[in-house]
Amino acid sequence: DVKVTQSSRYLVKRTGEKVFLECVQDMDHENMFWYRQDPGLGLRLIYFSYDVKMKEKGDIPEGYSVSREKKERFSLILESASTNQTSMYLCASRSIRGSNYGYTFGSGTRLTVV
Amino acid sequence: GQQLNQSPQSMFIQEGEDVSMNCTSSSIFNTWLWYKQDPGEGPVLLIALYKAGELTSNGRLTAQFGITRKDSFLNISASIPSDVGIYFCAGSSNSGYALNFGKGTSLLVTP
Repeated sequence: DVKVTQSSRYLVKRTGEKVFLECVQDMDHENMFWYRQDPGLGLRLIYFSYDVKMKEKGDIPEGYSVSREKKERFSLILESASTNQTSMYLCASRSIRGSNYGYTFGSGTRLTVV
Repeated sequence: GQQLNQSPQSMFIQEGEDVSMNCTSSSIFNTWLWYKQDPGEGPVLLIALYKAGELTSNGRLTAQFGITRKDSFLNISASIPSDVGIYFCAGSSNSGYALNFGKGTSLLVTP
């Protein structure tokens, strides 16, 4: 089975800190995605990457950046963490081969900014 | 991206009852997907639908791709306590694009 691993399940950071959330997938998937999940708002797309060194803004990119230097790793960076970035962050990956367009998600990182 | 309209927002049912939820879109999709998220975990794919009118089952779960290609339905029969979680619909109009998600249906099942 495809595995998507997020480096931390829980993180607590201070306002103004630079925060790195790491995601690694082990099945050579081309596409990778970062979402945040908040109660009542569902899953909102922050950034995605079609392939290595490629990145596209999603619906809520403000305050975030991403890095994809290697195919298996997609990092989400909070440049200067703020309390309104307290959320559950979900990473996902997808293969463009075959007909299944579904994502495989990681277990999530629950980030609290204090 | 487009946010899909998923309903109901939450359901509180007794064990053994059947459950129905649905999702609508303002645009046509080529793929509909249903995910389940257990508490504290990431969503897991339950069912994928690729053709208008398609009806697909996975155990007690049945999902349908609407004929108009703008909606999809998920039914759970004879619910059990482990069905508890958030169910998300997702759709795509093109394999190269990011999925559009509904806001989720939160399901609680009492023994």
